[in-house]
Amino acid sequence: DQQVKQNSPSLSVQEGRISILNCDYTNSMFDYFLWYKKYPAEGPTFLISISSIKDKNEDGRFTVFLNKSAKHLSLHIVPSQPGDSAVYFCAASAGYQLIWGAGTKLIIKP
Amino acid sequence: NAGVTQTPKFQVLKTGQSMTLQCAQDMNHNSMYWYRQDPGMGLRLIYYSASEGTTDKGEVPNGYNVSRLNKREFSLRLESAAPSQTSVYFCASSEGRGRLTEAFFGQGTRLTVV
Repeated sequence: DQQVKQNSPSLSVQEGRISILNCDYTNSMFDYFLWYKKYPAEGPTFLISISSIKDKNEDGRFTVFLNKSAKHLSLHIVPSQPGDSAVYFCAASAGYQLIWGAGTKLIIKP
Repeated sequence: NAGVTQTPKFQVLKTGQSMTLQCAQDMNHNSMYWYRQDPGMGLRLIYYSASEGTTDKGEVPNGYNVSRLNKREFSLRLESAAPSQTSVYFCASSEGRGRLTEAFFGQGTRLTVV
């Protein structure tokens, strides 16, 4: 039973356009959400997070939106750059544990 | 800055062999974690240590043991490796004692059990 789902295994976006990565969760007890980025042969690196008391958080080109009623969050990258090509994981915090989605591979096309 | 360092990076074991994966962090973090990542799945927590001297089971602890040797080091031991333990293992650390927020990860250990 996956509590955090990323339904798109991959996404291809033109350089300069907006990339939108989606994540759904089932457990209403989650109250903190994070996005991580992972390059091949490296560990995940923290990108951006959002608390459940907010519905939006921005950091430069990255914005995370949270819709609690729909149990849905999304990561927007504007504009997309070649270096953004990576696997993106969303994760939900439950105390000491992070529950992870399976990841979405983002490919930025020139 | 080294951050989180894991050794080894690659390992091949025969079924039934034992080994210890080492992890050290130099950020003075209180909490440390061991995860495994399998194809098509997110990371799953094996064990964690909220603070020096404490360890707790995560989602998939069977077949593993851990030791929080001191604040810097957190090792993961496979006593009798099985093919189902073929995976990429990540160690992570984070600052907080309570909520887990931002965690920093090592580069991973790719383990194959034949």
